[in-house]
Amino acid sequence: QVHLVESGGGVVQPGRSLRLSCATSGFTFSNYGMYWVRQFPGKGLEWVALLWFDGSKTYYADSVRGRFTISRDNSKSTLYLQMNSLRAEDTAVYFCARDLEAYRSSWYLDSWGQGTLVTISS
Amino acid sequence: EIVLTQSPGTLSLSPGERATLSCRASLSIGSYLAWYQQKPGQAPRLLISDASNRATGIPARFSGSGSGTDFSLTISSLEPEDFGFYYCQQRSNWPPSITFGQGTRLEIK
Repeated sequence: QVHLVESGGGVVQPGRSLRLSCATSGFTFSNYGMYWVRQFPGKGLEWVALLWFDGSKTYYADSVRGRFTISRDNSKSTLYLQMNSLRAEDTAVYFCARDLEAYRSSWYLDSWGQGTLVTISS
Repeated sequence: EIVLTQSPGTLSLSPGERATLSCRASLSIGSYLAWYQQKPGQAPRLLISDASNRATGIPARFSGSGSGTDFSLTISSLEPEDFGFYYCQQRSNWPPSITFGQGTRLEIK
């Protein structure tokens, strides 16, 4: 059974950094593209980043490009999101998710973690 | 950037009734559209991809249709567990990105 568990959320001050982790199990992690998606307190969903299955390509939303970095450790079946220069508007629940298809990026997300809350506040 | 607009904002129906949710794209997106269901405190769940392909394990009462700019999700006969929020999502080839609609709340009447 596919399982994704996020961790690393919390309350941080504006301008500081935070690293989120997403531990996965139940599938061959290295075969799938992986995503971060966030959900704002008002419930809107925003795609954050995508990392291809082979690590060859990364894509970011304009709102986070240059501040956030997505990475993966296939030996640990874990996805990461390094978040720097955090702003109040980054406050959200952050979900990791898996691509629907192996060996390519369909840009559809078929398995999600339960999310981790990030709050940016002074 | 392509904008997805969902309607209605809230849909109030009774179990057994038919639900039709709409999603309109600001530009043509072919059939590159997905639908997700989200219940309180849970992650979104993929229902439909490529406008009309049901995801694994999704009941047949859920169906998707449309292409270009106008899409629909239909639930043929509502079950109590179907109530919650529904989001559409599109993928763009350039720049590579994903956007979500603002959501429709499906509530029990």
